[in-house]
Amino acid sequence: AQSVTQPDIHITVSEGASLELRCNYSYGATPYLFWYVQSPGQGLQLLLKYFSGDTLVQGIKGFEAEFKRSQSSFNLRKPSVHWSDAAEYFCAVDTPAGGSQGNLIFGKGTKLSVKP
Amino acid sequence: NAGVTQTPKFQVLKTGQSMTLQCAQDMNHNSMYWYRQDPGMGLRLIYYSASEGTTDKGEVPNGYNVSRLNKREFSLRLESAAPSQTSVYFCATRRQGSTTNYGYTFGSGTRLTVV
Repeated sequence: AQSVTQPDIHITVSEGASLELRCNYSYGATPYLFWYVQSPGQGLQLLLKYFSGDTLVQGIKGFEAEFKRSQSSFNLRKPSVHWSDAAEYFCAVDTPAGGSQGNLIFGKGTKLSVKP
Repeated sequence: NAGVTQTPKFQVLKTGQSMTLQCAQDMNHNSMYWYRQDPGMGLRLIYYSASEGTTDKGEVPNGYNVSRLNKREFSLRLESAAPSQTSVYFCATRRQGSTTNYGYTFGSGTRLTVV
């Protein structure tokens, strides 16, 4: 069965520092991959998505992610973190890609804290 | 354009009470989903409906029932609420087709507390 692993439960970075959030997936074929962000008490906001093609995808708020098939990873990065980026981040995989029975499976999330 | 509307936004139930969480979409999407979110667990799929008239179990269906009333509405029912069902519930729809437009739209959530 497909699964998503976010190894880091909680990460703290200083404002202005770079950020990388890790995501690994388990799926037999090429998945669709998503990153969402959730601020406390709020809903989910899509940061970016990957379907195929260029393995480096750009998203909103200055985020980017790189798909690495050989490592089954889809890590999220940001060059310079802002205090407003403090939130919880979820990686998700959609299976099967585009099929009628596709379901979005989420990782457990990584909570990001930003130090001033 | 409302997207995905969930009602109510907040609810407190006593153990053993029943209630229905409502979800309605105005995007004409075939697929609809119910997730629950618990601290440290991410979002877990309860039930989904690939199209009007069909429903299937997800990862955590026990204690829940669903109804796909029509293409717009997908409701989640708790017949006898338990404290373990205290959670935030999200409804979602999926837009299929080309990858340009493919994706999921989430409602704003229902925060349910069972005491």
